[in-house]
Order: sequence, then structure tokens, then C-alpha cells
Amino acid sequence: TQLLEQSPQFLSIQEGENLTVYCNSSSVFSSLQWYRQEPGEGPVLLVTVVTGGEVKKLKRLTFQFGDARKDSSLHITAAQPGDTGLYLCAGVPFGNEKLTFGTGTRLTIIP
Amino acid sequence: ETGVTQTPRHLVMGMTNKKSLKCEQHLGHNAMYWYKQSAKKPLELMFVYSLEERVENNSVPSRFSPECPNSSHLFLHLHTLQPEDSALYLCASSQDGTVNEKLFFGSGTQLSVL
Repeated sequence: TQLLEQSPQFLSIQEGENLTVYCNSSSVFSSLQWYRQEPGEGPVLLVTVVTGGEVKKLKRLTFQFGDARKDSSLHITAAQPGDTGLYLCAGVPFGNEKLTFGTGTRLTIIP
Repeated sequence: ETGVTQTPRHLVMGMTNKKSLKCEQHLGHNAMYWYKQSAKKPLELMFVYSLEERVENNSVPSRFSPECPNSSHLFLHLHTLQPEDSALYLCASSQDGTVNEKLFFGSGTQLSVL
């Protein structure tokens, strides 16, 4: 059992559509990070959320940290081919001061 | 120059070979990391160095040997690897090595062990 479960594992949608991907856990986290990894590259940090209920926006991307700090979601509006990549969440669970990564959602945007 | 540079980008080696992966960061950071990324598994932290001292070794087999000669350079020496060690090896750096800091990753070395 993974500490951070991401869903869906794979998602393929048409350009212009909206989508939401999820990062869930039974543990409480002090913070959660979202990274995007493009093919052939390393992950790049998109955002860090630290407060329960927090919402952060990055252009067409909206990140939300759950009120109980156990889950997070990433919503993309009007997806574009440049959004294609592996989306990883990572968090630090309370009581275990190690950054833990989820298994990722592999997103493909079809032109 | 990009922030974190890894070489080589691709490596194919036999189980009896010895090879080394190199990582260099140009960000002035104090902490450097090795991660392993395998298909269908989360990123696995292998080693952490802070100010050139190893501060974490996540039960990594001894066939992987890290070296950090200074705060800008990190090596991973490989010896008698197994086919299951085939993976993308990612180097990362961060400012101070605190646990929820932003990590800056290199592009990785795609390793295939035959």
C-alpha cells in the first residue's frame, strides 16, 4: 500500500477539455507539493500547499489542499498539449519527516 | 547553464561492469540527493548529502556507492548491478536539505543493466 495514492494512473484527453487528478492518503501531511515531469526530463516543482483548505492557482492550473490535510487535487482548465507529462504529488507526513512521492498520473493531451 | 546537470543521459552496462553517474549543480545549494525512478513505483530516495556529508542512506545495496567531493558535485558509483536496477536515476539539489524544501532535479540518467 502506497502512502500517497494518485488517480487516475493514466489520463488521455482532447485539447481544450478540463480535468482533475487526485492525490489521496490516510495520513495527515504538513505540506504537499506538486511536480510535473515532462518526457526525458526531471520533475519540476509547480506548487507547494501548506494550509488545510488552501487553493493556489497557476495560470490554468488550480491546486487544492484538503481541509483535513490528507488529500490534494489538481484541476486543469482548457488543457493544452504542453500540459502533457507525469504529475507527481509529494508530501511530508506528520511524525515521519521524510518527503514521500506518489506514483503519479501520466497525462496526455491530444491536439 | 541549467541548474542541475547529469551525465551521461543514457547508460547500458553489463552486470560485471563498473560505471559512475555524475551530477553537478550550479545553484549554490547545500544539499544533494540521488533518487531512483522505476516504472509503476514512486520515486525512491537513495542518498542525501548536506554540506558534503551523507545524512541519509535509505537501505540502498552496497553495489551503489555515492560520493560527494564538494557541495556542487555528486557521483553514484555502480558495481555488479542487477537487471532490476535498470531505472531512471535522478539527481536533485535543494538549498539547505530541510525536508519540505523545493527540490531541483536534473534530467536523469536512464540506466539499463543487461
